[in-house]
Amino acid sequence: GEEVAQTPKHLVRGEGQKAKLYCAPIKGHSYVFWYQQVLKNEFKFLISFQNENVFDETGMPKERFSAKCLPNSPCSLEIQATKLEDSAVYFCASSRTRPGLNTEAFFGQGTRLTVV
Amino acid sequence: GESVGLHLPTLSVQEGDNSIINCAYSNSASDYFIWYKQESGKGPQFIIDIRSNMDKRQGQRVTVLLNKTVKHLSLQIAATQPGDSAVYFCAENSGGGADGLTFGKGTHLIIQP
Repeated sequence: GEEVAQTPKHLVRGEGQKAKLYCAPIKGHSYVFWYQQVLKNEFKFLISFQNENVFDETGMPKERFSAKCLPNSPCSLEIQATKLEDSAVYFCASSRTRPGLNTEAFFGQGTRLTVV
Repeated sequence: GESVGLHLPTLSVQEGDNSIINCAYSNSASDYFIWYKQESGKGPQFIIDIRSNMDKRQGQRVTVLLNKTVKHLSLQIAATQPGDSAVYFCAENSGGGADGLTFGKGTHLIIQP
């Protein structure tokens, strides 16, 4: 597709429940990034992929967060046992080339996760 | 740690006036910078970018200025319109990192009629 597609747009989960978010990058883009934005503030990097391989996961809270980008499937970000502080908007972005090569990243519309 | 930051949380300008949004960065290794616009309920939208080997780049109604000496980035929007109301973020890429972009705190631009 010509835009990064994220689903669902809104997700409400009870504390302790699992949340799964999906992202379809732009066709032809090899790199996918996940960011977390809390209260319309700055973006926290979570993880990046080069095709189906993890490129950088230094931002991931590994105890409960996991992500995958499998061939011929949307990428996913899963949060096990959600906590109240996980409430945020999660953005996915994709780019054609690797970070550091002066390339623009295109963002999806985000998934708003509310943990109650 | 090093980060990209913005000086003002809110900037209010009259419709038709020019606006300038500022950004200070601290990573001297950053070689690529982007300005994003985020409207309410939407994802960041690319506005303009600049490489570290340039000090100015112009787009349609927008100009980005880069001062590497003082590590300062600015976005100038000419003849602001109501549709320019949004939160603006600067972002940097340090060139060697694999984590994509480092974002600063946003500046909320409000266009007064």
